[in-house]
Amino acid sequence: EVQLVESGGGLVQPGSSLKLSCVASGFTFSSYNMHWIRQAPKKGLEWIALIYYDSSNKYYADSVKGRFTISRDNSKNTLYLEMNSLRSEDTAMYYCAKGGYGSGYYFDYWGQGVMVTVSS
Amino acid sequence: IQLTQSPSLLSASVGDRVTLSCKGSQNINNYLAWYQQKLGEAPKLLIYKTNSLQTGIPSRFSGSGSGTDYTLTISSLHSEDLATYYCYQYNNGWTFGGGTKLELK
Repeated sequence: EVQLVESGGGLVQPGSSLKLSCVASGFTFSSYNMHWIRQAPKKGLEWIALIYYDSSNKYYADSVKGRFTISRDNSKNTLYLEMNSLRSEDTAMYYCAKGGYGSGYYFDYWGQGVMVTVSS
Repeated sequence: IQLTQSPSLLSASVGDRVTLSCKGSQNINNYLAWYQQKLGEAPKLLIYKTNSLQTGIPSRFSGSGSGTDYTLTISSLHSEDLATYYCYQYNNGWTFGGGTKLELK
């Protein structure tokens, strides 16, 4: 059974940093692209970052480019999202998701999410 | 690519045939997926590559479309289908539609 468990969220002040983790199990983590997607309170979904299975490519939404960094440690089956210069508009539930078969550009499994609140 | 979903709110009755629309600002080349999100839960994949049903998803869900226009159809609405549905394109970048909230009439 595929499981994705996010952690590391919390309440932080504007301008601060936070690092999210997502531990994967139930599949060969090192073979799949992974994504981060977020959802602001009562809003829709926003894709924010993709990392290839071997970390060879990384892509970001314009809204987070230059501030967020996606990474992974295949030896630990763990995906990360390092978030710097946080803004109030980054307040959201953050989900990690497993890339689907083929291109891995869609997502077939999601974690339950971790909440990040940016507020003074 | 921007995705526009319509309607934003749909009221339907159990047993109804329901059709949700998703229109892209450019050709999506069938790289279109549909997700269902129930209140307080993570989204779930229903359909990928326009019309491929994800494992474990009931056959009352189906997808169709081409070019810029895509559709998710629920052949006979069940009460557990009440949720918000998002389309998502992965042809050029990665973009979600704004969602269609499906409620009971």
